[in-house]
Amino acid sequence: QKEVEQNSGPLSVPEGAIASLNCTYSDRGSQSFFWYRQYSGKSPELIMFIYSNGDKEDGRFTAQLNKASQYVSLLIRDSQPSDSATYLCAVGGSQGNLIFGKGTKLSVKP
Amino acid sequence: DTGVSQDPRHKITKRGQNVTFRCDPISEHNRLYWYRQTLGQGPEFLTYFQNEAQLEKSRLLSDRFSAERPKGSFSTLEIQRTEQGDSAMYLCASSRSGGAATGELFFGEGSRLTVL
Repeated sequence: QKEVEQNSGPLSVPEGAIASLNCTYSDRGSQSFFWYRQYSGKSPELIMFIYSNGDKEDGRFTAQLNKASQYVSLLIRDSQPSDSATYLCAVGGSQGNLIFGKGTKLSVKP
Repeated sequence: DTGVSQDPRHKITKRGQNVTFRCDPISEHNRLYWYRQTLGQGPEFLTYFQNEAQLEKSRLLSDRFSAERPKGSFSTLEIQRTEQGDSAMYLCASSRSGGAATGELFFGEGSRLTVL
């Protein structure tokens, strides 16, 4: 059973701080990694994907991947109250499906 | 609106009844996924289709669940002999296939099932 693990939180950070969200996965053969954001009562939406080891930056978001450690992270710089949501890590399976973690709830305090 | 649409948005049923959900994906997307989500949990993979072919089905999925995508367009998810444990939000998503597009799932608003 392929697993994706996340700390459920809640993670609370002050406005303007860096939020760091972490994820580990069990399938060493996984090749694609995604971060989705889910606001309360809404459906998930994709915010970033990463395929290669290292960092990938998109605006205030940076995804980091370390395949040797089977670890993915998401950094949110200059956190805003509008970033308050649940962040879901998802890992691409070899069959083409996506396996999601349970999500980390982030709260950004003004 | 050309997003993913799901129907019905909310279904209340009695234990033992059958229910069917429908999903209409984004028209140019050939992949369609069904997930189930309960409060405080991430989406749990159920099954997915590429065009009309069902390519993978979760081993956790009871044989009371069946999904179809007969013409490679809309899909239905049927749950037979519902149980209270089936109460959840059923999410449908679609995507193109190939590269990063494969993982960019566009979700519908979900169909919430309540089994009494």
